[in-house]
Amino acid sequence: GEEVAQTPKHLVRGEGQKAKLYCAPIKGHSYVFWYQQVLKNEFKFLISFQNENVFDETGMPKERFSAKCLPNSPCSLEIQATKLEDSAVYFCASSQSLPGVVDYEQYFGPGTRLTVT
Amino acid sequence: AQTVTQSQPEMSVQEAETVTLSCTYDTSESDYYLFWYKQPPSRQMILVIRQEAYKQQNATENRFSVNFQKAAKSFSLKISDSQLGDAAMYFCAYRSAGGSEKLVFGKGTKLTVNP
Repeated sequence: GEEVAQTPKHLVRGEGQKAKLYCAPIKGHSYVFWYQQVLKNEFKFLISFQNENVFDETGMPKERFSAKCLPNSPCSLEIQATKLEDSAVYFCASSQSLPGVVDYEQYFGPGTRLTVT
Repeated sequence: AQTVTQSQPEMSVQEAETVTLSCTYDTSESDYYLFWYKQPPSRQMILVIRQEAYKQQNATENRFSVNFQKAAKSFSLKISDSQLGDAAMYFCAYRSAGGSEKLVFGKGTKLTVNP
């Protein structure tokens, strides 16, 4: 597709439950990024992928967060045993990889709002 | 690590007037990109304008222009002829020159446009 798709739009979980978010990048884009925007509006980078390979995971909380990008499937971000502090909007973005092209704009999805109660 | 600072949590402007949003950044890199994103209440991230660090000429997109001062590490956004639809959060972002690099965001500036 021509847009980054994220599902669901809104997810409500009780503290301790699992949450799974999905992202379908734009067709042909080989890079996928996950960002967390907390309610104070601050963005935090979580993880990026080049195709199905983890490229940069320096922002991922190691204990409860995991992510995958498998061939022919939407990418996913999973939070085990959610905490109140995980309440945020999670954005996925994708970008292209073209030979000889230096700049790859990141296109953002509409986000998934996770509310942990 | 790179950091981006937006020192104005909130700004307001009268419709049809001009407003400037400030952004400074810290980096030891010589090649990078800078962006301004608009986020309306819908939360959709909209790219407003971008600047390549190797270009001396300031980027412009219709009513939006930047003042890029590389030595001062400053990247301000000027919105001319402000419209009600410009009301939103504005985020300044930095990205290293590699195409696979993550965006580093400032904390945002909330812009209100008064009729």
